[in-house]
Amino acid sequence: DGGITQSPKYLFRKEGQNVTLSCEQNLNHDAMYWYRQDPGQGLRLIYYSQIVNDFQKGDIAEGYSVSREKKESFPLTVTSAQKNPTAFYLCASSTGTSGETQYFGPGTRLLVL
Amino acid sequence: AQSVTQLDSQVPVFEEAPVELRCNYSSSVSVYLFWYVQYPNQGLQLLLKYLSGSTLVESINGFEAEFNKSQTSFHLRKPSVHISDTAEYFCAVDSGNTPLVFGKGTRLSVIA
Repeated sequence: DGGITQSPKYLFRKEGQNVTLSCEQNLNHDAMYWYRQDPGQGLRLIYYSQIVNDFQKGDIAEGYSVSREKKESFPLTVTSAQKNPTAFYLCASSTGTSGETQYFGPGTRLLVL
Repeated sequence: AQSVTQLDSQVPVFEEAPVELRCNYSSSVSVYLFWYVQYPNQGLQLLLKYLSGSTLVESINGFEAEFNKSQTSFHLRKPSVHISDTAEYFCAVDSGNTPLVFGKGTRLSVIA
């Protein structure tokens, strides 16, 4: 089955620790996205990538980093610089970036210990 | 910058009653418009979208939305809701040269 997978479903972070969220797609999509969702805030764009080996900052990139070494993978690292990382993180992909439907993964919930 | 306003954060409605979820956007250029639905602890799924042509678009489960350019609106409607429609609904706007912008969402609660 084609789709987007995110792992883990739940992730716990200790103070000062970097953690990496996985996102994989087998839809052969060029574009991939990371969003952060907080209650009542909707979805806010962290980073997006339109093609392999290229990515752009979204609205709330501070404290996060990404890589796009393979078309099917777009991991997100939440660094220790992100002081309020507790949130639901969603990954999405699309064939392009204009007028195209985004397909979402099931999400990863990050909690701080 | 592009912005999307969903006027109601929560909408309670009785089963089999009609519902309208409102969405307004700010843009002076041509846009593509989307409604996504999110069930608890899941990702988002596309409900329907407007790209061009007929201003009324429909989904397979009875929702419809009408693009109104003069009022910059894309309200979502359903004539008779079911318990299974309980979810959060997000309106989103794509102006073609920037990533998709989402509204803050409307939580629809259908009461038996």
